[in-house]
Amino acid sequence: GNSVTQMEGPVTLSEEAFLTINCTYTATGYPSLFWYVQYPGEGLQLLLKATKADDKGSNKGFEATYRKETTSFHLEKGSVQVSDSAVYFCALRPTGRRALTFGSGTRLQVQP
Amino acid sequence: DVKVTQSSRYLVKRTGEKVFLECVQDMDHENMFWYRQDPGLGLRLIYFSYDVKMKEKGDIPEGYSVSREKKERFSLILESASTNQTSMYLCASSSPSSRGQDYGYTFGSGTRLTVV
Repeated sequence: GNSVTQMEGPVTLSEEAFLTINCTYTATGYPSLFWYVQYPGEGLQLLLKATKADDKGSNKGFEATYRKETTSFHLEKGSVQVSDSAVYFCALRPTGRRALTFGSGTRLQVQP
Repeated sequence: DVKVTQSSRYLVKRTGEKVFLECVQDMDHENMFWYRQDPGLGLRLIYFSYDVKMKEKGDIPEGYSVSREKKERFSLILESASTNQTSMYLCASSSPSSRGQDYGYTFGSGTRLTVV
């Protein structure tokens, strides 16, 4: 079946540190891949996406590259800010399917 | 600004009550979804709809039903609320994806339901 595995949280970093949140997936074919962010008390917002192998999605300083060979879509940011504190969800849409499958989420806490 | 609107941010209901959660989108999207979010479990799909009056079960449909009488509105119904349905409920919508074009979901702000 289709599944997404994210690293366990919480991830605690100091401001300006480098961030990596790992995401690997299992799916047949060529799924679309997404990162969503959820700030406290809010719904999820699309952060970035990639629809084919080797695509790099980027937004607000965050990046992720679709790696077909390692079935991964790791989220990175070079210098985090306190305002990046949130829960991050990796998700995939299998080819030909309407619904997204989500990972369990990774909470990021950035300290001043 | 396009949006998905969930009618309530917080609800408290009693065990056995019939509960309606409403979701409205203004983007003319064909697809609409209901998820529940629980700590450590991420988002789990309850039901989705791909057209008016059309629906499909997700991963955890037991105890829930849905209604889509108009394209813009998708309702989640808890037939007889139970304490294990206490959760955050998220509605989302999307347009159909195609090769190279996939915009993902637009989410509502969520409804936190407590069943006592």
